[in-house]
Amino acid sequence: SYELTQPPSVSVSPGQTARITCSGDGLPKKYAYWYQQKSGQAPVLVIYEDSKRPSGIPERFSGSSSGTMATLTISGARVEDEADYYCYSTDSSGNHRGVFGGGTKLTVL
Amino acid sequence: QVQLVESGGGAVQPGRSLRLSCAASGFTFSSHGMHWVRQAPGKGLEWVAVIWYDGSNRNYAESVKGRFTISRDNSKNTLNLQMNSLRAEDTAVYYCAREGMVGDITGFLDWGQGILVTVSS
Repeated sequence: SYELTQPPSVSVSPGQTARITCSGDGLPKKYAYWYQQKSGQAPVLVIYEDSKRPSGIPERFSGSSSGTMATLTISGARVEDEADYYCYSTDSSGNHRGVFGGGTKLTVL
Repeated sequence: QVQLVESGGGAVQPGRSLRLSCAASGFTFSSHGMHWVRQAPGKGLEWVAVIWYDGSNRNYAESVKGRFTISRDNSKNTLNLQMNSLRAEDTAVYYCAREGMVGDITGFLDWGQGILVTVSS
């Protein structure tokens, strides 16, 4: 089955740049999406189609994708960005099945 | 504003069935694909199932295929998930999520508050 791999944790100090990676064999053909989930809350879409940012999401959030790796970058991370981040994509075999990465706990302190 | 409200969760014994529903409002329900996503306690997100905007196509995660059925009633703005032969590993918070439309913002634009399903003897 198709898998997306993320690091379990990333830690930065406030104001630093946080980068969270997501690797998967299908990413050259399929878009990556990124979701932020704070404790006890439903996830929120922060990046769609590899690098696009929905309205209302701060400009410090950006995304990129190259080959089999997608990256979420948070420039000038703030304490309030501390959350779990999940990448998402679909199986490139054509069956339209979705898959989430295992999630990355971002600590900002 | 967009609202997605799940119902039907609760505690059930292994092997039994449960039906979740998601009441949608604030958008044209019949224009959007809909998904179920679940999260086991203390674990990550797991995609469960999708149904096309018109119900013409459905797909499932391998972990639930053959046991779960996703359906929708566009006349009632309702999404359903029939869960049969439940297992302990199906214990999770279940979210319904609205998919964006191609050509606009895509991805899961909105999520319900989630509803807990506990499978235990």
